[in-house]
Amino acid sequence: DAKTTQPTSMDCAEGRAANLPCNHSTISGNEYVYWYRQIHSQGPQYIIHGLKNNETNEMASLIITEDRKSSTLILPHATLRDTAVYYCIVSDMRFGAGTRLTVKP
Amino acid sequence: GAVVSQHPSRVICKSGTSVKIECRSLDFQATTMFWYRQFPKQSLMLMATSNEGSKATYEQGVEKDKFLINHASLTLSTLTVTSAHPEDSSFYICSAEGDSRSNYGYTFGSGTRLTVV
Repeated sequence: DAKTTQPTSMDCAEGRAANLPCNHSTISGNEYVYWYRQIHSQGPQYIIHGLKNNETNEMASLIITEDRKSSTLILPHATLRDTAVYYCIVSDMRFGAGTRLTVKP
Repeated sequence: GAVVSQHPSRVICKSGTSVKIECRSLDFQATTMFWYRQFPKQSLMLMATSNEGSKATYEQGVEKDKFLINHASLTLSTLTVTSAHPEDSSFYICSAEGDSRSNYGYTFGSGTRLTVV
């Protein structure tokens, strides 16, 4: 079974920040947290990953709590093309159900 | 960034035949590769983990004699679906972990849509 749980779906207004939460309370000390997204009939696209510290790249920011039991992916200015299923996984590479993010005009 | 090429992207085969799917890491050496299947409107299900030069580790419930995995080199892993049946129709996806995992994470292929008729 996957070590991560996420809300089933979320909506976000275009241009606003999308904040996607993930719980991984059983994560081990050396396991990374990875975020991917999948658009219909394509392979998952890498977004960002981290171990302990918060991370930022050109796509998103990743905020990891100090106890590492949860994290939040932030898309700072969501666009319609960000509509996808977002997956949070840890190093065991098992996927949960993910969050279906719908960005609305 | 790291690129994983998966081939073919789509395949249709007759029931009872075998199909081979290739997964190649193009610009890095993949010490570990993962194989998934995904049914419509469902998440990715991990089938097996393969390490170069050793036998694959299959997840519980996945038939190793039906889904043959070979990881003969650091840039190529193959999944062969043997004696395919209509219920094997699915989207198969591979991913690879390179020795620079801390920089790139795991990279996924674009997937193979298998239809067994």
